[in-house]
Amino acid sequence: NAGVTQTPKFRVLKTGQSMTLLCAQDMNHEYMYWYRQDPGMGLRLIHYSVGEGTTAKGEVPDGYNVSRLKKQNFLLGLESAAPSQTSVYFCASSLKRVNTEAFFGQGTRLTVV
Amino acid sequence: GESVGLHLPTLSVQEGDNSIINCAYSNSASDYFIWYKQESGKGPQFIIDIRSNMDKRQGQRVTVLLNKTVKHLSLQIAATQPGDSAVYFCAENISGGFKTIFGAGTRLFVKA
Repeated sequence: NAGVTQTPKFRVLKTGQSMTLLCAQDMNHEYMYWYRQDPGMGLRLIHYSVGEGTTAKGEVPDGYNVSRLKKQNFLLGLESAAPSQTSVYFCASSLKRVNTEAFFGQGTRLTVV
Repeated sequence: GESVGLHLPTLSVQEGDNSIINCAYSNSASDYFIWYKQESGKGPQFIIDIRSNMDKRQGQRVTVLLNKTVKHLSLQIAATQPGDSAVYFCAENISGGFKTIFGAGTRLFVKA
């Protein structure tokens, strides 16, 4: 049982490049989330999904897009990366609507130069 | 406004002692308060939560206390072990479910 798996673990992008972060969970959870974590700050919600085919904006959605074509996968896209998007990105999933017990992936460290 | 903050950015304790990590919150509408543990290079891991209508909840070696009068949350770890060394985040789950506000974190060092 792998839980929540994120790929890649590390990536360096040039300003203006695009990329997609992949999150996969094998717990049959309905709810999935993308967060970013910056130094000295807590996690901030980028986008979330309440089920296959649905997505919604979180606190800091600008510059990101997401898709949930399959229940087990939640993709985070950066169409034109900016240095301000340098961060550690975490994907999470939860069984309950009130996501107190969310399961997190290992994170993706993204640097935009 | 909505904010979750921590009184101390770092906490150093002796192995075997009890640890207390504090957190202040400002949103009275929060339904749940949650503690997460994050070890270096890993994602946050759920420790324990408490609903807003409770003032205390115990888990294995951990106790969470909620004081709504002063909007204060604490995590107590009994008999702290080296494996408890990590960053601890408090978070509040706003009514509706999807909006969880995280604090900046407290780093716990356990001295052998």
